[in-house]
This record gives sequence, C-alpha cells and structure tokens, in this order.
Amino acid sequence: GENVEQHPSTLSVQEGDSAVIKCTYSDSASNYFPWYKQELGKGPQLIIDIRSNVGEKKDQRIAVTLNKTAKHFSLHITETQPEDSAVYFCAARDPTGTASKLTFGTGTRLQVTL
Amino acid sequence: KAGVTQTPRYLIKTRGQQVTLSCSPISGHRSVSWYQQTPGQGLQFLFEYFSETQRNKGNFPGRFSGRQFSNSRSEMNVSTLELGDSALYLCASSFTQGIGEAFFGQGTRLTVV
Repeated sequence: GENVEQHPSTLSVQEGDSAVIKCTYSDSASNYFPWYKQELGKGPQLIIDIRSNVGEKKDQRIAVTLNKTAKHFSLHITETQPEDSAVYFCAARDPTGTASKLTFGTGTRLQVTL
Repeated sequence: KAGVTQTPRYLIKTRGQQVTLSCSPISGHRSVSWYQQTPGQGLQFLFEYFSETQRNKGNFPGRFSGRQFSNSRSEMNVSTLELGDSALYLCASSFTQGIGEAFFGQGTRLTVV
C-alpha cells in the first residue's frame, strides 16, 4: 500500500519567515495530495491540495509543489503569522478503484514565534 | 452550509463495553470515511462508506464496524473496548468517492478506562 513520509516533525520559525514541509510518497499511481492543518482540540482542516496533473498551486500565503518523478510534494507558507502555529499533515489518496482512502504523513508541528 | 458534525464530542467507556459514534456529512455529500488518530500511530484509515455500502476497509480488527444510512449519515461501532482503542475518531465527508476534497469533523475523543 501507499506510504507517506513527512519531514520535519517539528519546525520553529520567526514571524514573517517562510516555512517548508516536505513529504514523499511510495505509490506512483497516487493522484491527489491534500494538506491539512490541525489545531489543538479540532479536526484536520483542508488548507490546499494538488492533483497529479499540476506542478504547483498557490493560495495567498500558501503554496504546494509536486514532483511526480521524484514522488515528493511540499508545502510552503510565506510571511508566517502566529495563527499559522498548528500541526500540518500531508496525505496521498490511494488510487485503488474509486476509493477515497487517504494515507497521511506523521505530521509537522509548526511553531511561529514572535 | 453546515460542516461535518460528529457526536458525541467526548466519551469515557470501560474496557469490554461497546460504543457507537455518529457522523453527519456535509449536506449533499454521499461518501463518509472514518479515521483513528493516536499519538503513536497518527491518522489511520478505518473504512469508507458510499451509498450505504462499505467500499474500503483499513487494517483494523472486526471489533470495528460501521454503517451508513440512506441520508448519508454514518455510525461506527467498536465492541469489546480495549485500552488501546482510546483515540480521536474522525469522520471525513466527500461529495462522492474517489473524487474531490475530504472535509473532517471535529472528532469524537474516546477514552477507555
């Protein structure tokens, strides 16, 4: 089955700096890669996603890049703010049949300091 | 538009008991998936339901089961609870299976004592 690795496990940046989180996946057939932000006591919130036919996608301060050849994708957050502090998860969708199963990375705890 | 609603938010159960958790997906969404989140194992897929049928199942014992109703609401049941079942159980709603975004609820925090 699919395996997703995520790095780093913790990341501390100063407010205004950029943050980059990287993930690799094992199944070359995976075709959808969402990123989720989880704040304490809440469920994961979808913040951005990318499909396998696209190399990059941006939404304001957040961007995701995908390298299908190398089987890795990254989340980029620019001009970080204290409210960006949370745990971020990458995921890959299992393409088996028409299933919606997501395989998640182990998470990155991002701390934005003043 | 209301999001994914999970009830209850918190549960405390004793070993050996059973528990039922409920999930109401976003209006119009027909696919519901369940995930278990623990500090040690992270987010793990339990199962997915679409059109009242289980479409996919993760690597969990048969004590974990679920169902989906005609209005797309879903329940999951865990029988003969073990201490290791303590976790945050998350429900994700999608418009249809295999396509589009998955939106999560707040989760049900289950503690087994």
